[in-house]
Amino acid sequence: AQSVTQPDIHITVSEGASLELRCNYSYGATPYLFWYVQSPGQGLQLLLKYFSGDTLVQGIKGFEAEFKRSQSSFNLRKPSVHWSDAAEYFCAVFGGATNKLIFGTGTLLAVQP
Amino acid sequence: DVKVTQSSRYLVKRTGEKVFLECVQDMDHENMFWYRQDPGLGLRLIYFSYDVKMKEKGDIPEGYSVSREKKERFSLILESASTNQTSMYLCASSLSLDRSRNTIYFGEGSWLTVV
Repeated sequence: AQSVTQPDIHITVSEGASLELRCNYSYGATPYLFWYVQSPGQGLQLLLKYFSGDTLVQGIKGFEAEFKRSQSSFNLRKPSVHWSDAAEYFCAVFGGATNKLIFGTGTLLAVQP
Repeated sequence: DVKVTQSSRYLVKRTGEKVFLECVQDMDHENMFWYRQDPGLGLRLIYFSYDVKMKEKGDIPEGYSVSREKKERFSLILESASTNQTSMYLCASSLSLDRSRNTIYFGEGSWLTVV
């Protein structure tokens, strides 16, 4: 069965530091992968997605993610974090046979001044 | 831009009440979804619909039903609300079952408290 693991529940980084949020997936075929961000009390906003092609995907707000099939990973990165990036981040995989989007449990990012 | 609108952001209901959560999307999307979000559990799919009057159970359908009478509107119904249904409910939609067009867009969420 398809699944998504985000091993880090909570991460704290300093403003200006680089960021990497981990995501591992389990899926038999070529996965469709997504990263969403959720600010407190809000819905989910799509940051970026991978369907095929270039394995380095650029998204909004300066984020990027790299699909690594050999590691079953789709880690989210940002070179310099801003205080406004504090939010919860969700990785998701689209389970084609079931037509469902399967989410990880999220990583809560705190940004220190 | 795609807009998914959940009409009620915050609701407080009593145990046993019938609760309706409404969701409307304005982009002629075929698929609509209801998720609930709880701390430490992430998002879990309750029901989804891929066409008018069509519905399929998600991972946690117990205690819920849905209605899709029009393409743009998808309602989640709690027939008899219970305190364990206190949660954040997120509606979402996507264009098609075609994988190449299957980005899912979310509404801002409805916070339901059952007392």
